[in-house]
Amino acid sequence: AQSVTQPDIHITVSEGASLELRCNYSYGATPYLFWYVQSPGQGLQLLLKYFSGDTLVQGIKGFEAEFKRSQSSFNLRKPSVHWSDAAEYFCAGMNTGFQKLVFGTGTRLLVSP
Amino acid sequence: EPEVTQTPSHQVTQMGQEVILHCVPISNHLYFYWYRQILGQKVEFLVSFYNNEISEKSEIFDDQFSVERPDGSNFTLKIRSTKLEDSAMYFCASSRDTNTGELFFGEGSRLTVL
Repeated sequence: AQSVTQPDIHITVSEGASLELRCNYSYGATPYLFWYVQSPGQGLQLLLKYFSGDTLVQGIKGFEAEFKRSQSSFNLRKPSVHWSDAAEYFCAGMNTGFQKLVFGTGTRLLVSP
Repeated sequence: EPEVTQTPSHQVTQMGQEVILHCVPISNHLYFYWYRQILGQKVEFLVSFYNNEISEKSEIFDDQFSVERPDGSNFTLKIRSTKLEDSAMYFCASSRDTNTGELFFGEGSRLTVL
């Protein structure tokens, strides 16, 4: 069955430190992959997406993610975290040509001063 | 910037009552979706809607649920005879096409069933 796994429920990072949030996928073929962010009381905002081609994708707010087929991973990174990055981050996948997003369980990012 | 808007932001209802959640998708989008997130759990797909009919639905989307696009701008989710386990955040989303795979989400409607 198609699935997306985020192994970390919570992560705490010091402001200014680097960040990596993990995501693994299980699909029959390479899916479209996405990272969404949800701030408290807000909807889901798309950070970046991978369809094909360059395996390192750049997104908004200084985020990037790298698709690694050999590891079935699509980890989200940011070189220097800001306090405003504290939020819930969701990895999601979608079979090409279909419409249903399958979400991971989310990782809550806490940023310490 | 165009956005998906949802109302109400929070609704409290008694078990067994009917609830309608409203969504206004982005105006030039053709595909519409409902997702839900039970507190502490993952966001789950409920239904997708295109060309005035359901294109896909999950096993969660049983006869208790229905969707409608009554007037060309609104997209509603109706839950008949709500149950306690329907308490969740319900997200509406829309997309222009299926080529980009990019969905735009609203801020959600929190439903609390007592």
